[in-house]
Amino acid sequence: DIVMTQSPDSLAVSLGERATMNCKSSQSVFSVYSTENYLAWYRQRPGQPPEPLIYGASTRKSGVPDRFSGSGSGTDFTLTISRLQAEDVAVYYCQQYYTTPWTFGQGTKVEIK
Amino acid sequence: EVQLVESGGGLVQPGGSLKLSCAVSGFTFSGSSMHWVRQASGKGLEWLGRIRSKPNNYATAYAESVIGRFTISRDDSKNTTYLHMNNLKTEDTAVYYCSSPGYSISGINDYWGQGTLVTVSS
Repeated sequence: DIVMTQSPDSLAVSLGERATMNCKSSQSVFSVYSTENYLAWYRQRPGQPPEPLIYGASTRKSGVPDRFSGSGSGTDFTLTISRLQAEDVAVYYCQQYYTTPWTFGQGTKVEIK
Repeated sequence: EVQLVESGGGLVQPGGSLKLSCAVSGFTFSGSSMHWVRQASGKGLEWLGRIRSKPNNYATAYAESVIGRFTISRDDSKNTTYLHMNNLKTEDTAVYYCSSPGYSISGINDYWGQGTLVTVSS
């Protein structure tokens, strides 16, 4: 199975400031056939199901604010929230969908400083 | 509007069985893969498995932790997918979500239900 490891486990950021979190996979999730990284980011607000933010490592889902951006390739990925808003308080998960079993990272909890 | 509605959760004794259902509306169910994901209280997300569509032979795949105990099925005539859980353990206590890419081209699970709670306890 591909193991996904996120860092840090939690971070506290002031409103309007940048939040950056990382995700590392135990093997590459890049497909040479599709030239796509099979890496997604989800946000899970308290008491809610996860909601998708990013797929293909860097493509924002329709309707996701442009303060969210994803980057990286192969085994190392980053999610950046450029200007933290109150509604971004949540746990963020990366997930690989390169191969089954799909696997999630353990999550990064984002709080307001 | 897309809706996924899970049902069937509840209290079950260790060693027991339970069948969860997920009713879907708002996208072409028969053409979509369906996934199950769970989350223990205060813990992270765990992908359990998926069932693909008829053109993909209803192929299933599972997480190692549930192989041999959990089975995913679907009834395209009812727009419903099921998670059959046997030999339940206390560590299976969690909120169980169904999810699906729907008709999205992203390949990821765009649509999620609100979840149903399963408690395994004597």
